[in-house]
This record gives sequence, structure tokens and C-alpha cells, in this order.
Amino acid sequence: DAGITQSPRHKVTETGTPVTLRCHQTENHRYMYWYRQDPGHGLRLIHYSYGVKDTDKGEVSDGYSVSRSKTEDFLLTLESATSSQTSVYFCAISEGGRGSYEQYFGPGTRLTVT
Amino acid sequence: QKEVEQNSGPLSVPEGAIASLNCTYSDRGSQSFFWYRQYSGKSPELIMSIYSNGDKEDGRFTAQLNKASQYVSLLIRDSQPSDSATYLCAVYGGSNYKLTFGKGTLLTVNP
Repeated sequence: DAGITQSPRHKVTETGTPVTLRCHQTENHRYMYWYRQDPGHGLRLIHYSYGVKDTDKGEVSDGYSVSRSKTEDFLLTLESATSSQTSVYFCAISEGGRGSYEQYFGPGTRLTVT
Repeated sequence: QKEVEQNSGPLSVPEGAIASLNCTYSDRGSQSFFWYRQYSGKSPELIMSIYSNGDKEDGRFTAQLNKASQYVSLLIRDSQPSDSATYLCAVYGGSNYKLTFGKGTLLTVNP
């Protein structure tokens, strides 16, 4: 998985509780992304980062926040989890730079909100 | 709204046949195109990238791009049961290194 780890790999949590997912890379890539994947919707971008402390929203950012204090770590936080946030979450990285648009994915986190 | 369309399938082919997967995209300014393979319960894996019109071959895989028709395809020759997976088409439209993904086509290769 191109030097990308995600933790935890599986999590069950209750509605209303905060949850933080971690993505860690060893590739020193500039860009990092959080996606969710749901049946019938495919991969949807939640937030992405283009450098330390530089982040921006994707198409489904409501209810999620992110932080990137180090190049290698990108955190996704669900401030107050809801059942609609039950999903598989993937982190991806991209080198960036001219012509380097390829993204490589981590192993994923399966989150269940009860 | 940038869109990437794929037939959801399932596409079923016999072992040894050619599997043809298709993708259309709406943004005429799109620059780069990718195919990912995703096995059930696993993460997407990049298998092909194509940047210019024409064909690009890598082993049993051939990606074809036609920017005028806004169409990209993936051919898998000598299909094997291990090729059974969902194939995702992704398009880069020139904005902040973000990709737009299709919903994927499920391919089943029957022994």
C-alpha cells in the first residue's frame, strides 16, 4: 500500500461520540486525501491537504474536520458521529508536482456508527 | 459538476477472453486518466495511467484514450479469474490534484 497505514482498521462507535481516524505515510508526498466509499456512491472526497496546515474541503465535508500538523500524518475527525457516517474510509496520497497526479490508497478503515 | 460514468455491470467474461471496460467523462478539459482495480474488501490499486490520445499497453492491460469523444477504456487480454474485481475509472481535471472517480464496473471472469 505504498507506505500508507491507517488506524484503526475497524471501529464501532455510538451515535454522538467523537471519532478520529489517522493516516500515516512514509513517502513524504505533499498531497493527502480522505475519501469515503459507500455502495451506490463510489469514492467521494471528504477533505484533502496540499501541505502542512493546508487543507480544503471535498464534496462531502459536512460533519468532518481534518488536521495536518506533520507531512506524514493526516487526521480525519467526526465531531459527533451519526449513522450516516457508517462507511469505509480511505486515505490516499499523491506526490504532486507536474504530471504527478496519481493517487495511492491506504488499506482503509471500516467505521460503524450504531 | 464533473462526472465520470461507468457501466456498473456486472460484466461477465469467460477465462481467456478479452474484457472491455468503458468510461466517459464530462469535463472536456480533463488531462489525465487512471484505472484502479479494487478487490472486494480491499483498497483501490492503481493499474494504468494514460495522458495522451491513443493506446498504452502494460502486460495484459491496454488503456485507450479518445479525448475528442471524452472516452477512456481498459482492455484486459487473456482474462483470468484473478482479474475478477471492480474497476474504477478516475479522471484528473486540472484542479488541485483532485481526482473524480466513476462508481466502478464489476468484472467477473468465469473459469
